[in-house]
Amino acid sequence: GDSVTQMEGPVTLSEEAFLTINCTYTATGYPSLFWYVQYPGEGLQLLLKATKADDKGSNKGFEATYRKETTSFHLEKGSVQVSDSAVYFCALTPQTGANNLFFGTGTRLTVIP
Amino acid sequence: DGGITQSPKYLFRKEGQNVTLSCEQNLNHDAMYWYRQDPGQGLRLIYYSQIVNDFQKGDIAEGYSVSREKKESFPLTVTSAQKNPTAFYLCASSIVGHLNQPQHFGDGTRLSIL
Repeated sequence: GDSVTQMEGPVTLSEEAFLTINCTYTATGYPSLFWYVQYPGEGLQLLLKATKADDKGSNKGFEATYRKETTSFHLEKGSVQVSDSAVYFCALTPQTGANNLFFGTGTRLTVIP
Repeated sequence: DGGITQSPKYLFRKEGQNVTLSCEQNLNHDAMYWYRQDPGQGLRLIYYSQIVNDFQKGDIAEGYSVSREKKESFPLTVTSAQKNPTAFYLCASSIVGHLNQPQHFGDGTRLSIL
């Protein structure tokens, strides 16, 4: 079945460090891929998305590229800030069927000054 | 501004009691969803609805019920049959018919047992 495997956390980085959070998926065909972010006590916000192979999603300095050959969608940011501290979820929507999201388990990022 | 409103933000349930979580959206989305989030885990789908008066079970529907009488509203009832209801509950909505459209989330309701 469809599933997402996400790098386990927590991840702690110093401000201005480089961030990578790994995400791989299992799905048939070409799912749509998403990264959501959850700040403490809040719901999820869409961070970026990619809907076809080789697409690059980007927002707020974060980037992720849809790699069909490695079934991956790793999240990167060149220089993290304290305000980036949150939980990050990788998710997919299958190519066919209902528009349901399959989530990874989330990665908690803490950025220290 | 359009969005999804969940209420209450915090809710407490007594043993044997049913409680209802509210979810309202003004985004004119056809589809609505309920997820449960447990500490250190991802979100798990409870129920979803793609059209008024119709809904489908998700992965963990046991002990929960929903209704979809209006397009804007998708309340979730946590029944006494749900033996471990303590969790963070998130409601979401999306456009139907476009598989690459993201879901939009509310701010959640945290349910605890008294």
